[in-house]
Amino acid sequence: RKEVEQDPGPFNVPEGATVAFNCTYSNSASQSFFWYRQDCRKEPKLLMSVYSSGNEDGRFTAQLNRASQYISLLIRDSKLSDSATYLCVVRISGYALNFGKGTSLLVTP
Amino acid sequence: DVKVTQSSRYLVKRTGEKVFLECVQDMDHENMFWYRQDPGLGLRLIYFSYDVKMKEKGDIPEGYSVSREKKERFSLILESASTNQTSMYLCASSFPGQGSEQFFGPGTRLTVL
Repeated sequence: RKEVEQDPGPFNVPEGATVAFNCTYSNSASQSFFWYRQDCRKEPKLLMSVYSSGNEDGRFTAQLNRASQYISLLIRDSKLSDSATYLCVVRISGYALNFGKGTSLLVTP
Repeated sequence: DVKVTQSSRYLVKRTGEKVFLECVQDMDHENMFWYRQDPGLGLRLIYFSYDVKMKEKGDIPEGYSVSREKKERFSLILESASTNQTSMYLCASSFPGQGSEQFFGPGTRLTVL
């Protein structure tokens, strides 16, 4: 079973829409959680860390549910520039990260 | 501005060749990583290093080796390239903290013929 699972999408949404992605992880001992963003033909970049209490960064809100072992990312008021692949990332222990395969988002005019 | 550079953006090699992929970071990071990214499989960790001359196997180390002689440089070596090693290779680096962000290089698209 894959450590980190995401719906690959694609999610096609109009500008201004709200869209949510979920991600599940298999190891209950997982310690740290992140969302990375990867633009087409570019390298991944950290979007935000995910904290147990939930956290917000502008239009982006991340939530963690340890009991159900899932992480979510909510994007409000979608912009064309939000089009990208969103990678759910989990650290179990040590330094290595486990990446989900990514969820593709396309925001259309 | 933080920077991770990789020696080549595109590389074409023949089966059986020895291939070196170089990665350099200028952020004084202790940790460095090599991933490969394939369609439908996502990013998979090949090897990582948490200090000079130290290395740890990732999820898919078979067919690869690494070298870290200096803090800023982490090399991935394909001893005898095979066609199934055709992939996008991404290097990353980070500080050692638990929540530390990994900074990625632009990637090397390797094709093995």
